[in-house]
Amino acid sequence: DTGVSQDPRHKITKRGQNVTFRCDPISEHNRLYWYRQTLGQGPEFLTYFQNEAQLEKSRLLSDRFSAERPKGSFSTLEIQRTEQGDSAMYLCASSLASQPGQTKHYEQYFGPGTRLTVT
Amino acid sequence: AQSVTQLGSHVSVSEGALVLLRCNYSSSVPPYLFWYVQYPNQGLQLLLKYTSAATLVKGINGFEAEFKKSETSFHLTKPSAHMSDAAEYFCAVRNNQAGTALIFGKGTTLSVSS
Repeated sequence: DTGVSQDPRHKITKRGQNVTFRCDPISEHNRLYWYRQTLGQGPEFLTYFQNEAQLEKSRLLSDRFSAERPKGSFSTLEIQRTEQGDSAMYLCASSLASQPGQTKHYEQYFGPGTRLTVT
Repeated sequence: AQSVTQLGSHVSVSEGALVLLRCNYSSSVPPYLFWYVQYPNQGLQLLLKYTSAATLVKGINGFEAEFKKSETSFHLTKPSAHMSDAAEYFCAVRNNQAGTALIFGKGTTLSVSS
């Protein structure tokens, strides 16, 4: 088990360019979350997947943002026409999902994040 | 809506002193609460969690937290600070509306001096 990995770790882009980030979760985890963390703030939820299905999207996820998780394995987060306000750390986390009717909470394991700087 | 508030964006202690990081929560349902630690340029690591079992929760690295429903608090403590405890600490509550995604506080930076 190598943990959650994210690529790239750092990305500098010019305003208006498109960027794509990748997250590889822990292999047996069926849930995958994306969070955004800006300077001086805690992480904020963006979206999550259970297997390949995207089940929830935050209002923070504007139409310039899109996320996919083909085949329920790795996930990508794309930002189109980047703006300076998109500069942040993008964190990915994965976990198991509890079964229907089960109250057990499974820990979310976080990756190291991708730091995006939009100039 | 659920939320957490961390009191104090920066806490400074001397090595060997008590660490106390404060967190208050708001939740209309019994909450699941968490403390995470983040070291520079790293992801978040779970320190401990409260999931409606024992109110005093012990975590890694000597940290513990006590769930107090009457005070809506979940403060993090450690009897004796170590230099390696210097990091950013986040309190979080599980969002029951969004597939167990977490709602985080703004974080508290802990500095430890020798």
